[in-house]
Amino acid sequence: KQEVTQIPAALSVPEGENLVLNCSFTDSAIYNLQWFRQDPGKGLTSLLLIQSSQREQTSGRLNASLDKSSGRSTLYIAASQPGDSATYLCAVTNAGGTSYGKLTFGQGTILTVHP
Amino acid sequence: NAGVTQTPKFRVLKTGQSMTLLCAQDMNHEYMYWYRQDPGMGLRLIHYSVGEGTTAKGEVPDGYNVSRLKKQNFLLGLESAAPSQTSVYFCASRWDRVHEQYFGPGTRLTVT
Repeated sequence: KQEVTQIPAALSVPEGENLVLNCSFTDSAIYNLQWFRQDPGKGLTSLLLIQSSQREQTSGRLNASLDKSSGRSTLYIAASQPGDSATYLCAVTNAGGTSYGKLTFGQGTILTVHP
Repeated sequence: NAGVTQTPKFRVLKTGQSMTLLCAQDMNHEYMYWYRQDPGMGLRLIHYSVGEGTTAKGEVPDGYNVSRLKKQNFLLGLESAAPSQTSVYFCASRWDRVHEQYFGPGTRLTVT
């Protein structure tokens, strides 16, 4: 059974810092990995999707990497801002005939960026 | 293009009452999903559908039923609500396993 772990559970940084969020998964048979952002009381916003054949994806100040063989992904946030404060979730789409695109989620990292 | 929408946004039920949550997507996606999110438990899959007229059980299906009569709609029903079903419910959809999964804004349900 796929298990996804995110470290750290919470992170507090001053504005302007570069930071890294970590995600690991136990079964490397995945189609892709997706990073989400969730603001309090809101839904999930997709940030980046990395296919299993890719090593990294970039969107603005965000860069996500994937090492499928070792079961790891990182989300790098450059020059953090208070508006980046949110919970960040990673999720994998498992390969296999019966997966049907279901996502397995980590527990999330709560990020606080203080001015 | 509204993406994924959910109705209602909030609801309070008494134990034993029934209700239906509606999810709609306008992206012509084949796959649709219902998740629940609980503190300390993360997001867990309740039911899913891989096309119009199909449904299947996820990790935590007990106490819920679903229907997908139209491709754009996925309904989640609670026949006899229990306090353990107090949660935030999210609907999601995607084109296929390779593309992104998109989420709705959620429904906050409280069962007293």
